[in-house]
Amino acid sequence: DAGVIQSPRHEVTEMGQEVTLRCKPISGHNSLFWYRQTMMRGLELLIYFNNNVPIDDSGMPEDRFSAKMPNASFSTLKIQPSEPRDSAVYFCASSFTLNTGELFFGEGSRLTVL
Amino acid sequence: AQSVTQLGSHVSVSEGALVLLRCNYSSSVPPYLFWYVQYPNQGLQLLLKYTSAATLVKGINGFEAEFKKSETSFHLTKPSAHMSDAAEYFCAVSESASKIIFGSGTRLSIRP
Repeated sequence: DAGVIQSPRHEVTEMGQEVTLRCKPISGHNSLFWYRQTMMRGLELLIYFNNNVPIDDSGMPEDRFSAKMPNASFSTLKIQPSEPRDSAVYFCASSFTLNTGELFFGEGSRLTVL
Repeated sequence: AQSVTQLGSHVSVSEGALVLLRCNYSSSVPPYLFWYVQYPNQGLQLLLKYTSAATLVKGINGFEAEFKKSETSFHLTKPSAHMSDAAEYFCAVSESASKIIFGSGTRLSIRP
């Protein structure tokens, strides 16, 4: 069975460019989470969706960050414009329902902003 | 507000020795508690979770954790470490099992 699929796995871009990260959750899962991992701040919850609806975006650091989930099988996290401090590994995770606590993580997208 | 504190960013044990990774939590309501493991260049994987059914929780790969309300702790243990256990381990807390907050992680190294 396919797990959570993220793309790209690695992205190197220059400051000021737009970055779009993509996620395909596990089929049948109706909750989706975006996390960011850095050495300094650890794992931070950015936003999560339930049934394609954003439930809590309080972790989104700035207006430069936006996330969408147009349907049950696809989500994007966009950064525009990107800055060097956005460099991190971004993880997408999905779960069968919102309250099981069992998250299935993708392998992450490593973003480097020069 | 809910939070977790993992004591020790790096723990090193010999193969076959006891593994003990410490986690203390803070929560205003009875919490859900979790341990996740992350192998290099991979996403996190659930090891075990506590949801008030039993205070001693058994997980995958021989790991277990005990919920101690009086100590606000949820330490992870394994009786005998194996080389394949080398990874980063994250304790996590949630007040609703939806919004999960992770600790800073503990890197476990195994000495031959």
